[in-house]
Amino acid sequence: GESVGLHLPTLSVQEGDNSIINCAYSNSASDYFIWYKQESGKGPQFIIDIRSNMDKRQGQRVTVLLNKTVKHLSLQIAATQPGDSAVYFCAENMDGGSQGNLIFGKGTKLSVKP
Amino acid sequence: DTEVTQTPKHLVMGMTNKKSLKCEQHMGHRAMYWYKQKAKKPPELMFVYSYEKLSINESVPSRFSPECPNSSLLNLHLHALQPEDSALYLCASSQRRPGNDEQYFGPGTRLTVT
Repeated sequence: GESVGLHLPTLSVQEGDNSIINCAYSNSASDYFIWYKQESGKGPQFIIDIRSNMDKRQGQRVTVLLNKTVKHLSLQIAATQPGDSAVYFCAENMDGGSQGNLIFGKGTKLSVKP
Repeated sequence: DTEVTQTPKHLVMGMTNKKSLKCEQHMGHRAMYWYKQKAKKPPELMFVYSYEKLSINESVPSRFSPECPNSSLLNLHLHALQPEDSALYLCASSQRRPGNDEQYFGPGTRLTVT
């Protein structure tokens, strides 16, 4: 079946460096994508989203890039901090999210070394 | 108020017990969700309620019974569970807004079935 997946299960970066977390999706009908951050013992926290009519969206210290040609999504975190250590999930949906069936990727664990 | 609350935070139950998980949001969201998350895995959608009506049931066993008493509350009734049902159960809510419909997650209930 179609699924959302990630290239790197773990990522270790030095504090202050930039982080890039990647995600591949296979459902060409998906048109809405979200990045979530999940810290240990907590629920997923919304970071940033992007619709398929865009290829880039920026937030505070984070940027999401969408390449529909190769069905690839990435999350860039600038000046990574220890508080950024968590598992990051990409998620996809169709019809702008109105279908409700948010499908999560496998997750990437980000570790920030001080 | 921009949070989803869940009770209890932890629950240990035997296979013959009946228990309920509770979720509450006061953001005026019209969609509420139950997800199941096993350790080191992404959340998996179980149920979706839209405007207080069950709209998606992802082939969940009948020992899990959802209930939406009103637009702010969502329950998950548990009966005759199996040890493999032990997991983090996450509740989420969203506005059901066409275009982009980000889901807000609660902290989860850590369920252990003995």
